Amino acid sequence: SQQGEEDPQALSIQEGENATMNCSYKTSINNLQWYRQNSGRGLVHLILIRSNEREKHSGRLRVTLDTSKKSSSLLITASRAADTASYFCGDRGSTLGRLYFGRGTQLTVWP
Amino acid sequence: GAVVSQHPSWVICKSGTSVKIECRSLDFQATTMFWYRQFPKQSLMLMATSNEGSKATYEQGVEKDKFLINHASLTLSTLTVTSAHPEDSSFYICSARVSSGGQAYNEQFFGPGTRLTVL
Repeated sequence: SQQGEEDPQALSIQEGENATMNCSYKTSINNLQWYRQNSGRGLVHLILIRSNEREKHSGRLRVTLDTSKKSSSLLITASRAADTASYFCGDRGSTLGRLYFGRGTQLTVWP
Repeated sequence: GAVVSQHPSWVICKSGTSVKIECRSLDFQATTMFWYRQFPKQSLMLMATSNEGSKATYEQGVEKDKFLINHASLTLSTLTVTSAHPEDSSFYICSARVSSGGQAYNEQFFGPGTRLTVL
């Protein structure tokens, strides 16, 4: 089945630093979405990038997509302690919009 | 806008009992909802796609008689874990896909999750 795989599995940084997470997927996609999940909570949609886009910005978030390498990256600039969470990428196949997720990257931002 | 709720937030039950979890789209219609389960520090695993007015589509390896899904209206899907066992203990999350027009059309929004513990 399609499944995004995030890298690294865990990342620990200081406030103010940038955090970069990567995601790889297996097959072709319509779009790729990044979500965050605070411990024991549901997912919050962060940003969507379509298969014909290469880069997208939203506030402190920057997402890139390389369809030739089947990979995407999420950059969080000027990180804050409140950014501490797990981050998942979900690739959406064409059938019924199912989302498949990788294991996620656990980001810890120290104040 | 685009809020999805789940009820209950957490539930503890005895082995052998059945548990129903509700997923509601509060301010939009959703012909399609999805059910996921998540083990600690693991990914969300898609269990099934819930289709309003028709049968759910289950992912490979998910027992449809074990996890009953009903999507009777455009705003409500239910997941019933039948004859629950301790190995069914998990975090269950639903998402709803916006089926009406507008900026969020076709996007998915997630509920806060339901923590199930089976003793």
